[in-house]
Amino acid sequence: AQSVTQPDIHITVSEGASLELRCNYSYGATPYLFWYVQSPGQGLQLLLKYFSGDTLVQGIKGFEAEFKRSQSSFNLRKPSVHWSDAAEYFCAVGARPWAGSYQLTFGKGTKLSVIP
Amino acid sequence: EAGVAQSPRYKIIEKRQSVAFWCNPISGHATLYWYQQILGQGPKLLIQFQNNGVVDDSQLPKDRFSAERLKGVDSTLKIQPAKLEDSAVYLCASSLQGKANEKLFFGSGTQLSVL
Repeated sequence: AQSVTQPDIHITVSEGASLELRCNYSYGATPYLFWYVQSPGQGLQLLLKYFSGDTLVQGIKGFEAEFKRSQSSFNLRKPSVHWSDAAEYFCAVGARPWAGSYQLTFGKGTKLSVIP
Repeated sequence: EAGVAQSPRYKIIEKRQSVAFWCNPISGHATLYWYQQILGQGPKLLIQFQNNGVVDDSQLPKDRFSAERLKGVDSTLKIQPAKLEDSAVYLCASSLQGKANEKLFFGSGTQLSVL
């Protein structure tokens, strides 16, 4: 079965600093990988996704992520963090355990705090 | 474009009571999902519908949880009887066809507290 590990429960960065959130996955086949963001009291919003092709993926709000098969990682990055980026970030892997079924397995999330 | 609508926003019940949550997905979306998000954890899939049929309920505690999606549009998730460990946010999501490369659209969730 697929699984996702986000090693950092909570990260604090200063506004304007760079950000990297780590994500490691476990899946037997080529994974479909996603990053979602959840602001307090809100549903999850897709930041970016990877299925194939270029391993560096661009997303919304200036985020990008790089797929590294050799490390089973899909880390999220942003060169300069804004105060509005404070939220919880979830990495997820998509899989089809059987025809017609589609399971999106989430990590436990990383909470990002931004210091003004 | 209207998003995924969920109600109620909050619900507080005592253990052994029953509760129901409602979800209205984005118009035209064939696939609907219910996720459970316990505090400090990522969302966990409970059930997936394709139109009005269930395609995956392998992680649904069927002794107390039930869900339906009549007419392939709105869906309700019910818990009867509720346990303390059911306290969580219940998220509804929808996608166009349920394909692996599709974006899921999530509602704001229903926060359930079981006392």
